Amino acid sequence: GAVVSQHPSRVICKSGTSVKIECRSLDFQATTMFWYRQFPKQSLMLMATSNEGSKATYEQGVEKDKFLINHASLTLSTLTVTSAHPEDSSFYICSARDPSGGRYNEQFFGPGTRLTVL
Amino acid sequence: GNSVTQMEGPVTLSEEAFLTINCTYTATGYPSLFWYVQYPGEGLQLLLKATKADDKGSNKGFEATYRKETTSFHLEKGSVQVSDSAVYFCALSGQFQGAQKLVFGQGTRLTINP
Repeated sequence: GAVVSQHPSRVICKSGTSVKIECRSLDFQATTMFWYRQFPKQSLMLMATSNEGSKATYEQGVEKDKFLINHASLTLSTLTVTSAHPEDSSFYICSARDPSGGRYNEQFFGPGTRLTVL
Repeated sequence: GNSVTQMEGPVTLSEEAFLTINCTYTATGYPSLFWYVQYPGEGLQLLLKATKADDKGSNKGFEATYRKETTSFHLEKGSVQVSDSAVYFCALSGQFQGAQKLVFGQGTRLTINP
């Protein structure tokens, strides 16, 4: 199956700093990638949909200036948490859609990035 | 809007027990339905899916049937193994606008004891 990687797997940063998380599709080209946030013992919340070469579409309530998304190539999307605060601590997961699957296409998920803001 | 509700966990069973994890949904039209599994320390993996009413998805001994009349997609397995211990997520993607997006249930943590 298709493989999606994320880097880093864990990051600890100080409050006020910015953190970049990378999401890569390793063996397919992903025109669309998704960023999710998962709180402890809770479900995944879609933050934004990232389309290659265009601006990301953010879900209601997600601050686009806080969570910057760039999808510069067909295999890479990045999420930058700007001026991070402790409340941004969470598990961030990306997924990539394989465009060959048609309407009922599968999303392939990365292993996630655990962000802790001190 | 679309939503998914799963039975609350955690669920603890003995090996070879029968498993059911309930999932119901709210959506307009005919969504596609999915079960994802998240093993410890790993990303989500698609376990099975069904794209139209009365379809049965199956994989690795797990099954789920798309029931339009009860808006349900319950996950079942006849005999669970310790290796099935994981978090299971029910999800849907809508038929209409935003069909690419997945809406997840809250997840059910399953622990199988030997």
